[in-house]
Amino acid sequence: ELKVEQNPLFLSMQEGKNYTIYCNYSTTSDRLYWYRQDPGKSLESLFVLLSNGAVKQEGRLMASLDTKARLSTLHITAAVHDLSATYFCAVEETNAGKSTFGDGTTLTVKP
Amino acid sequence: ETGVTQTPRHLVMGMTNKKSLKCEQHLGHNAMYWYKQSAKKPLELMFVYNFKEQTENNSVPSRFSPECPNSSHLFLHLHTLQPEDSALYLCASSQVPRQGNQPQHFGDGTRLSIL
Repeated sequence: ELKVEQNPLFLSMQEGKNYTIYCNYSTTSDRLYWYRQDPGKSLESLFVLLSNGAVKQEGRLMASLDTKARLSTLHITAAVHDLSATYFCAVEETNAGKSTFGDGTTLTVKP
Repeated sequence: ETGVTQTPRHLVMGMTNKKSLKCEQHLGHNAMYWYKQSAKKPLELMFVYNFKEQTENNSVPSRFSPECPNSSHLFLHLHTLQPEDSALYLCASSQVPRQGNQPQHFGDGTRLSIL
């Protein structure tokens, strides 16, 4: 059974600071997703990571994937209040066609 | 606008009621999913439909009954639910097999409260 662990589960940071969210998973995977969810809203796709060493950046967020370590990171640079949300990683087992989600990291950015 | 529409957005029902949740996708996808999102629990996959055929049922109690009449529509029929079934129910769609950078697209969810 695929297990996906995110940490931290809760993160409170000051505006302007940097931080990293970690996503570990237990079996081989060929796809990893990062989603954002605002309170009362749907999940919004942020990144799709397909291969070892993949790195994607959008604004202040950068995601990377190390398939050998079974680890993905979501790095936040110079946080701003608008980034406050819950971030989920989701891992798709090779050839399984379905994703297993982590517990989510609730990020609060304070002025 | 995600291309996945869920109705109703909110639903309050008694334990003996029967109701249905509806999901419609306008993205031309061929797979649809139901997820349950409870407070303090991770997102739980309930059902998967590929090309209208159910390919996954994650040990979901029979009081939840899915229906997928075509690749664009997905229903979740509810009857004799329990208070612990109160949650946000999310529908998603995708193309399978996956190609390139294609994630699942999620609807806004139905917030279900069981009295």
